[in-house]
Amino acid sequence: EAGVTQFPSHSVIEKGQTVTLRCDPISGHDNLYWYRRVMGKEIKFLLHFVKESKQDESGMPNNRFLAERTGGTYSTLKVQPAELEDSGVYFCASSRDGGDEQFFGPGTRLTVL
Amino acid sequence: GENVEQHPSTLSVQEGDSAVIKCTYSDSASNYFPWYKQELGKRPQLIIDIRSNVGEKKDQRIAVTLNKTAKHFSLHITETQPEDSAVYFCAAPPDFGNEKLTFGTGTRLTIIP
Repeated sequence: EAGVTQFPSHSVIEKGQTVTLRCDPISGHDNLYWYRRVMGKEIKFLLHFVKESKQDESGMPNNRFLAERTGGTYSTLKVQPAELEDSGVYFCASSRDGGDEQFFGPGTRLTVL
Repeated sequence: GENVEQHPSTLSVQEGDSAVIKCTYSDSASNYFPWYKQELGKRPQLIIDIRSNVGEKKDQRIAVTLNKTAKHFSLHITETQPEDSAVYFCAAPPDFGNEKLTFGTGTRLTIIP
């Protein structure tokens, strides 16, 4: 089966600009997660979708971040306006309903200058 | 919330020797403990996991042990090989039924040929 895919792989933007990251989960996976790793630190949870609904968004840092999963398939994460501290690698992961293993995408490396 | 601590942050071992990475967690309700391996430039991949109803699980050269009383779990890699060089992350969910993962800060393992 095809794995989790993310686009773009890299993004370099200036402070104040907008960036939209996309994640395509494994087909049939109801659960979709966004995580972020900043400056070599731990991978931190951002939010969790079950199908198109936000199950848990407790990790979203502030209202500059907006995640959507219309139709319950792919998801987007928009950062608007981007700040320097938003730089990092954004990972998406998906899992089956009732499944434990979360399958990770390759990540999007975001650099805010 | 869940707090996961991981040690050491870096580890170098001679090829053929064993490597041990340790993690502690704070939420006694956690019941699932995965270990992820992230090779340079690649996505995190699950290498082994353990549920709280067992104390040890082994898969070829990799094993994980869990001590629920002490709230710690460890990854053991025996007969290390150069391809074991990577960053390893432990993780735990905050409580039963909550699927988001809290990750440790990672251990950079280097195998010296």
